[in-house]
Amino acid sequence: GAGVSQSPRYKVAKRGQDVALRCDPISGHVSLFWYQQALGQGPEFLTYFQNEAQLDKSGLPSDRFFAERPEGSVSTLKIQRTQQEDSAVYLCASSFETSGSTDTQYFGPGTRLTVL
Amino acid sequence: AQSVTQLGSHVSVSEGALVLLRCNYSSSVPPYLFWYVQYPNQGLQLLLKYTSAATLVKGINGFEAEFKKSETSFHLTKPSAHMSDAAEYFCAVNSPFRNNDMRFGAGTRLTVKP
Repeated sequence: GAGVSQSPRYKVAKRGQDVALRCDPISGHVSLFWYQQALGQGPEFLTYFQNEAQLDKSGLPSDRFFAERPEGSVSTLKIQRTQQEDSAVYLCASSFETSGSTDTQYFGPGTRLTVL
Repeated sequence: AQSVTQLGSHVSVSEGALVLLRCNYSSSVPPYLFWYVQYPNQGLQLLLKYTSAATLVKGINGFEAEFKKSETSFHLTKPSAHMSDAAEYFCAVNSPFRNNDMRFGAGTRLTVKP
């Protein structure tokens, strides 16, 4: 596709519900990142994939958060038993290179999650 | 550990005036530095990046930034603000050894007055 897409764009969940957020990276991009952006803050790293391998999940805030990228393309971020503190914008980014930290990360529009 | 600090959560300038958004970094290794812009309800878009080549980096939309090691700074400037520059701007630092180590600042909201 032309850019990184994310769905849904907005999600309202009741506390305790499970949610799944989808990211479609740019075709051919090897690296995929998930970030969490709280209101009024910059994005914070959650997890990183290289193809289908999850190489770093150190930023996931709790074991309620789970991410996968089974075929090395589309990725899903799942949050189980959502809590109010999970309310944030979840950003997905992809980049072409595997190890080049100068490589540009292209961001999707984000999914705004509101937990009531 | 790496981090960036953006001085001023809100900056307001008049149309045609100089834009200066401040960013200071902390890094134990030579950093790679980035400026991103975020328009409402959109993702982040790269403005420019410093990757240890020229210290003065030119980006899109007339923006530029200068890497100053002695001041640990990477301030973003634009000579003449345009109404369309109103947005949130984020400075970020990454390690040259890992691409999954990006750290963002808290952001600066730029308002442009007519």
